[in-house]
Order: sequence, then C-alpha cells, then structure tokens
Amino acid sequence: QKEVEQNSGPLSVPEGAIASLNCTYSDRGSQSFFWYRQYSGKSPELIMFIYSNGDKEDGRFTAQLNKASQYVSLLIRDSQPSDSATYLCAVIQGAQKLVFGQGTRLTINP
Amino acid sequence: KAGVTQTPRYLIKTRGQQVTLSCSPISGHRSVSWYQQTPGQGLQFLFEYFSETQRNKGNFPGRFSGRQFSNSRSEMNVSTLELGDSALYLCATSWGASLPDNYGYTFGSGTRLTVV
Repeated sequence: QKEVEQNSGPLSVPEGAIASLNCTYSDRGSQSFFWYRQYSGKSPELIMFIYSNGDKEDGRFTAQLNKASQYVSLLIRDSQPSDSATYLCAVIQGAQKLVFGQGTRLTINP
Repeated sequence: KAGVTQTPRYLIKTRGQQVTLSCSPISGHRSVSWYQQTPGQGLQFLFEYFSETQRNKGNFPGRFSGRQFSNSRSEMNVSTLELGDSALYLCATSWGASLPDNYGYTFGSGTRLTVV
C-alpha cells in the first residue's frame, strides 16, 4: 500500500464548476496535510494546509480532513482555466518527513 | 524576501561521473528536504536535514548523499551516475517546526539533471 494515494486522473471539469480532488494516507499517526499545485515545468507551490478534522476554506479552495477515514480532499469552486495543473497531496510523517502522492492532473475546460 | 535557491538549474553529466547540487533556503528556514521527480515515479523523498543532522531518509541507494551546513544551506551528491538518475531534483525548505507552526515546505525551482 502506498503511503499517500491519489487518483492520477486526468480529471476534466467545465469552467465554473466545482473540482473535487481526493487523497488517502496510510499512516494513522499523520498530523499535517498539505495540498500543492504544480504547473507543467514548474516546481510545486503550497496552496492549502490543514491539521484539524473538518473543513478549512481559503478563497475558492476548501480542504477537508477526516482522520478517522484517513482521507483529505480539496474542493476548488468556480474553477478557472488557470486552475489546470497537477495537484499533489502531501502528508507529514514522523519528524518532518513530507511524503507526496502521485498527483492528480486537473484540466478545466472553457 | 528571497525564495529557495537551487543551483545549477541544468546539468548534463556522463554515466559514472558524480554531481553536487546546492540548495539555499529561505532565511530562517532550518529544515531542508530533497526530492527526485520523474514522470513515472512522481516526487520521491530522498532525505531531510535539520540543524546539520539528517532526520529522515528515503529509500535511495547509498550513491545519494547529502549534508547541511551551519547556515542551513544544503548540498546533495550523487556518485557513479546512472542513466536512471536523470530527473528533476527539488529541494524544499521550512522552519522545521511541529504543529502549530508547521506551515509546510517551500520549493526551489529545481535542478534538471540529464545523464548521458
């Protein structure tokens, strides 16, 4: 079992719709969870982090964490073509070891 | 403030050679992690350093090594290069703290290594 799993996609969403990205993790002791966005040819950039169960909203982005079920999700409301990128879920294990999923490629269609 | 600086941006090496990559963190960041990114494997964790000590290590052969200096700058070295080492090498830095001050890692632009 992979430490962090994501559906590789591609996920195609029409402009203006909600994009939903999911991630599961295997280490039940994980405490910190991050979503990174990576445009083609660029390095990952942090867009959201969440520590507590429930929802965390930041603009058009909402991160959701359910530790009992060991999943993290990212919702992007009012999706824009500029949101087209690969979204990476990352989990901190132990002493600051940040482990990434394979990433989900998202395409927003105008 | 300055971001994470990785040098060089591009490298072409021959099989069997060795290479050293450098990462200068954001001021105040004490944790430096290194990743290898390839299309097939995604972001693979190499190792993480904090205050000149290796805290975490990934599943890479001993040809991959690293170190961190007292100013938090880090280097990674790959010896006896193989064709399969061709990849984008990224470093990511952070304060190195646990919750609630863990604000995630900031990535550098990476070093694109090509082994021929």
